[in-house]
Amino acid sequence: DVKVTQSSRYLVKRTGEKVFLECVQDMDHENMFWYRQDPGLGLRLIYFSYDVKMKEKGDIPEGYSVSREKKERFSLILESASTNQTSMYLCASSLSSYTDTQYFGPGTRLTVL
Amino acid sequence: EDKVVQSPLSLVVHEGDTVTLNCSYEVTNFRSLLWYKQEKKAPTFLFMLTSSGIEKKSGRLSSILDKKELSSILNITATQTGDSAIYLCAVVMNYGGSQGNLIFGKGTKLSVKP
Repeated sequence: DVKVTQSSRYLVKRTGEKVFLECVQDMDHENMFWYRQDPGLGLRLIYFSYDVKMKEKGDIPEGYSVSREKKERFSLILESASTNQTSMYLCASSLSSYTDTQYFGPGTRLTVL
Repeated sequence: EDKVVQSPLSLVVHEGDTVTLNCSYEVTNFRSLLWYKQEKKAPTFLFMLTSSGIEKKSGRLSSILDKKELSSILNITATQTGDSAIYLCAVVMNYGGSQGNLIFGKGTKLSVKP
């Protein structure tokens, strides 16, 4: 079974703090994704990566950056957290560009005070 | 602009009812359509549809794609309280553009009452 794990289930941070969200997958997947999910807005893609050290902006990259130094790990960074970044963050991975099913981690609920 | 629209946004039924959830899309370079079920945490994969008219079935759940109508339906028969969840539809495109290759609808929240 594919396993995607995220470093924290719940996080509370203060405005201006730097926040790291980590995602690890154990199935040698090429592609990894970061989404945020908000009521009424659904899932929106922040960034994705199709290879180590490669990244592409999604719909809403502003205020975020990512890092993929190893194939199994994809980190989302909030350089200076703001209250409007309070959300559920979901990481996903897929085997390759030729396979469509994405497998999701359990999510991190981030609250920025 | 590429988009995926699900309807209804929410639905309340009683156990034993049959429900039909809808997903329509307008995208460039369509490749496949995915259905997910999301309870309290991560979305879990249900179906992937690539060909029109071929029904995918898993227990009481089934789904079919209509490429002519640019839509898909998800049917749940004899609903149970455990079916209560948000059902997400996502369309996969060939790479290119800011969405990566997958766009989600906003989901249908299904509540099944005993």
